[in-house]
Amino acid sequence: NAGVTQTPKFQVLKTGQSMTLQCAQDMNHEYMSWYRQDPGMGLRLIHYSVGAGITDQGEVPNGYNVSRSTTEDFPLRLLSAAPSQTSVYFCASSRVSPAYGYTFGSGTRLTVV
Amino acid sequence: GQQLNQSPQSMFIQEGEDVSMNCTSSSIFNTWLWYKQEPGEGPVLLIALYKAGELTSNGRLTAQFGITRKDSFLNISASIPSDVGIYFCAGLPLGAGGTSYGKLTFGQGTILTVHP
Repeated sequence: NAGVTQTPKFQVLKTGQSMTLQCAQDMNHEYMSWYRQDPGMGLRLIHYSVGAGITDQGEVPNGYNVSRSTTEDFPLRLLSAAPSQTSVYFCASSRVSPAYGYTFGSGTRLTVV
Repeated sequence: GQQLNQSPQSMFIQEGEDVSMNCTSSSIFNTWLWYKQEPGEGPVLLIALYKAGELTSNGRLTAQFGITRKDSFLNISASIPSDVGIYFCAGLPLGAGGTSYGKLTFGQGTILTVHP
């Protein structure tokens, strides 16, 4: 089915480890974003991209890197995991503009111990 | 950055009751969106609003874009158990253009529980 695919669904990391959260969409969407969701804080924007080769920082970018080499993929890299990065991460995409609504993936639940 | 204040944080209601929640901002927004998130899933778009004063319905859901451009409201009529979830407002500020279109900001969410 068409949509936004995130892998893995669950991950446990040790402090200091690095990893990449994968996000892929097959809808030819230009806009893609990464959000983290924490209890009582809603969804906070980490990084976003308005097209291949273009990325920008969101509200909480520290400790995360992104790149957008293709329209389909937008991986999120954790450079050196910290317990404060324990969260649920959502990738989202939009064809024209987020003003017309994002399509979200089902999330990656990350625990850093 | 932009901040959206959503209230109430949680609601516990009986099936059949009406529900109201709202979202406010200190800045002017030109787009308001309302999403619903069910357990284990990502948010799903319910309603989009683009003009001050606009009132839009989607079944039992009705949302309004405040005339000040700094607030929005979501009402759910005759609630049913499947309305359970977290409801989020989201918005784009006035003047968003170019790459700023990517900066969709979300409220903290309203957790809705419906008792049968």
